[in-house]
Amino acid sequence: AQSVTQPDIHITVSEGASLELRCNYSYGATPYLFWYVQSPGQGLQLLLKYFSGDTLVQGIKGFEAEFKRSQSSFNLRKPSVHWSDAAEYFCAVGAPGAGSYQLTFGKGTKLSVIP
Amino acid sequence: GAGVSQSPSNKVTEKGKDVELRCDPISGHTALYWYRQSLGQGLEFLIYFQGNSAPDKSGLPSDRFSAERTGGSVSTLTIQRTQQEDSAVYLCASSLASPNEQFFGPGTRLTVL
Repeated sequence: AQSVTQPDIHITVSEGASLELRCNYSYGATPYLFWYVQSPGQGLQLLLKYFSGDTLVQGIKGFEAEFKRSQSSFNLRKPSVHWSDAAEYFCAVGAPGAGSYQLTFGKGTKLSVIP
Repeated sequence: GAGVSQSPSNKVTEKGKDVELRCDPISGHTALYWYRQSLGQGLEFLIYFQGNSAPDKSGLPSDRFSAERTGGSVSTLTIQRTQQEDSAVYLCASSLASPNEQFFGPGTRLTVL
């Protein structure tokens, strides 16, 4: 079964600073990879996804993520954080061929932004 | 267009009561998922429906939990004899035929007293 690790529970950055949120996964092959964002009291919104092809993926709101097979990682980056980016971020994996396409989520990283 | 909707947004119930949570997926989406989000456990998969196929119930935590999907659209998650540990936010998601982006609803916050 697949698993996801987000090693940082809480990160605080200053507005305008760069951001990198870490995600490591465990799966026997190349999984489907996702980053979702959740604002307080809201559902999850997809930021970006990776299925195959170019390992650098561009998403909404200026986010990007890079799939590194050798490191089993899919880290999320943003060059300049805005105060509105404060939220909780979830990395998720899906298992191709598993038949169910359920997502396995990491525990999340809460991002705080200092003005 | 309309997104995934869930009702009620909040539900407070007493231990031992049954509750029903409703999910209206995006029109045309054939796949529907239920997840549970609780403190300390993160997001857990509960059940998956795909078209007319038998649902994948592998994530249901106990036989007190059940779900159905009528007419390939609306889904209801039922929790019987609720326990305090059932308190969580229950999220519904839908997608086109997998694999694909899952669109999430705002969730139902369940509190069991």
